[in-house]
Amino acid sequence: GAGVSQSPSNKVTEKGKDVELRCDPISGHTALYWYRQSLGQGLEFLIYFQGNSAPDKSGLPSDRFSAERTGGSVSTLTIQRTQQEDSAVYLCASSLGSNTGELFFGEGSRLTVL
Amino acid sequence: QQPVQSPQAVILREGEDAVINCSSSKALYSVHWYRQKHGEAPVFLMILLKGGEQKGHDKISASFNEKKQQSSLYLTASQLSYSGTYFCGTETSGTYKYIFGTGTRLKVLA
Repeated sequence: GAGVSQSPSNKVTEKGKDVELRCDPISGHTALYWYRQSLGQGLEFLIYFQGNSAPDKSGLPSDRFSAERTGGSVSTLTIQRTQQEDSAVYLCASSLGSNTGELFFGEGSRLTVL
Repeated sequence: QQPVQSPQAVILREGEDAVINCSSSKALYSVHWYRQKHGEAPVFLMILLKGGEQKGHDKISASFNEKKQQSSLYLTASQLSYSGTYFCGTETSGTYKYIFGTGTRLKVLA
């Protein structure tokens, strides 16, 4: 596709279960970002990748959160032992990774933890 | 570390002007501006690089004062389509890591 694709678009899970959120960036984009947006709030930085490496993981809220990127393309954000406070929209964005590169955002994955 | 935006919210009539400010406690390398409509993904408006430049297209422009670590977005002769939440995204070290501001909700009324 032409844009950033995220799946699932909606996920409802029970507290304590693990979830995986997937992001398929725009082809050729070397930089990939994960942000979290709680209801009515701003964009909270989680992690970003340059190629397959993650220079900055400082935004991950706890060790229950992890992310990987393979082949310089698809990325997966994994949340283990989900808690109710993890409920939010998880947004992925990609860019060319240059200093003039705009971020292209996906539609997000809405996670609800019951 | 999160940039602070002001005002938090603003209501305008069509045709009125608005200014949204973004202030960082850290030295800035670049600033992006995005608009997010309800239930949609943020959409890129413009980027300003270190050097104090001012940019614009149509009736939306922005400035970047790196000494003051601030950027401002100017909306002139606002249209209904300008309604949404505006975010600045700041880069502090040339690493392409963007931290977004607290957001400004803008509503334009007919």
